[in-house]
Amino acid sequence: EAEVAQSPRYKITEKSQAVAFWCDPISGHATLYWYRQILGQGPELLVQFQDESVVDDSQLPKDRFSAERLKGVDSTLKIQPAELGDSAMYLCASSHGTGGSGYTFGSGTRLTVV
Amino acid sequence: TQLLEQSPQFLSIQEGENLTVYCNSSSVFSSLQWYRQEPGEGPVLLVTVVTGGEVKKLKRLTFQFGDARKDSSLHITAAQPGDTGLYLCAAGAVSGNTGKLIFGQGTTLQVKP
Repeated sequence: EAEVAQSPRYKITEKSQAVAFWCDPISGHATLYWYRQILGQGPELLVQFQDESVVDDSQLPKDRFSAERLKGVDSTLKIQPAELGDSAMYLCASSHGTGGSGYTFGSGTRLTVV
Repeated sequence: TQLLEQSPQFLSIQEGENLTVYCNSSSVFSSLQWYRQEPGEGPVLLVTVVTGGEVKKLKRLTFQFGDARKDSSLHITAAQPGDTGLYLCAAGAVSGNTGKLIFGQGTTLQVKP
């Protein structure tokens, strides 16, 4: 069964350092999403790509976060500098269309900022 | 602001008991999804409901979409320890970026042997 691949699974970083997460969506899925999930809460959208274009980054803290999907396939989410409040699970998901029939999520990257 | 409110937030029950989780909103949705998430993993899609009043069954799980398409419920019969996890409802945004999913805050279920 096709999966969304994410790496690393876990990341511990000191505040003010840079950190990057990688996602490889299911082959053929044009739409890619990055969500952030605080422990015990529901995921919240950070950025949505359609192919290589950003569709929605209204909730992305652009002073420190950036995301790219240069060739419309895999994607990288970067935080620089990391802050203590960035500690969370970062989830990547993909869908064939706009997700009305559901997303496929990766296993996520658990970030701890110390 | 579009909100999906789930209740209860936490539920701890004994194996064999039945339970119901609710997902409510003031907005009308074209579809609604339920996900289950285990600790340290991403959410996994359980079901999508589309038609008002629709009922879908997945083994011991029964999902219902309200007639007005504003609410949904998940009922588990004879819960087992393997059902433990975070249950999330999600729906497409009704304005702005309608291609994104809005998630409820989740219901944490613990089933004790």
